[in-house]
Amino acid sequence: AQTVTQSQPEMSVQEAETVTLSCTYDTSENNYYLFWYKQPPSRQMILVIRQEAYKQQNATENRFSVNFQKAAKSFSLKISDSQLGDTAMYFCALGSGNTGKLIFGQGTTLQVKP
Amino acid sequence: GAGVSQSPSNKVTEKGKDVELRCDPISGHTALYWYRQSLGQGLEFLIYFQGNSAPDKSGLPSDRFSAERTGGSVSTLTIQRTQQEDSAVYLCASSPEGGGLQPQHFGDGTRLSIL
Repeated sequence: AQTVTQSQPEMSVQEAETVTLSCTYDTSENNYYLFWYKQPPSRQMILVIRQEAYKQQNATENRFSVNFQKAAKSFSLKISDSQLGDTAMYFCALGSGNTGKLIFGQGTTLQVKP
Repeated sequence: GAGVSQSPSNKVTEKGKDVELRCDPISGHTALYWYRQSLGQGLEFLIYFQGNSAPDKSGLPSDRFSAERTGGSVSTLTIQRTQQEDSAVYLCASSPEGGGLQPQHFGDGTRLSIL
């Protein structure tokens, strides 16, 4: 079975500081992607960043970067220079090459404080 | 271009009634997904359509739930004889191709409340 675990239900960070959100996963497949999605109070899911499992280099998107540890099945998200607009729920998701569905973690609510 | 469109945004109905939720994917996207998000929870996969292939219905929680996709575009999720536990946000997503490797683009969801 494929699982995604986010062990931090809530986190907070001061504006302009750095925060790291944790995610671990389990899969028996070799061909998969990992994603971080953001869901602000407006409810729409927004893709933040994605990582191909076969790439060793960690993905980066502006202030967002990941630490992908394949052997440990860990995929954490680092947000640098946090902004008030980063306040949202963040979901880690596992996408399999064999199925069309994403397996989501339970989410981490991040609050950026002024 | 236009994103994934879902209607209605909110739906309140009485227990036992049938409801239909609509999803209009991004033009040209061949894959379409339905997920359910209960209050404060992660997303739960319901069903996946890819082109003309038979849909993956493995996530549908009961036979009261069904979905169709007409003409490879618009999809309708139907819940018959609604129960209070069906209350949730129903999210639709589409991607250019099928398989779990493509980033999915989500609509704003339909918030369903069963009284």
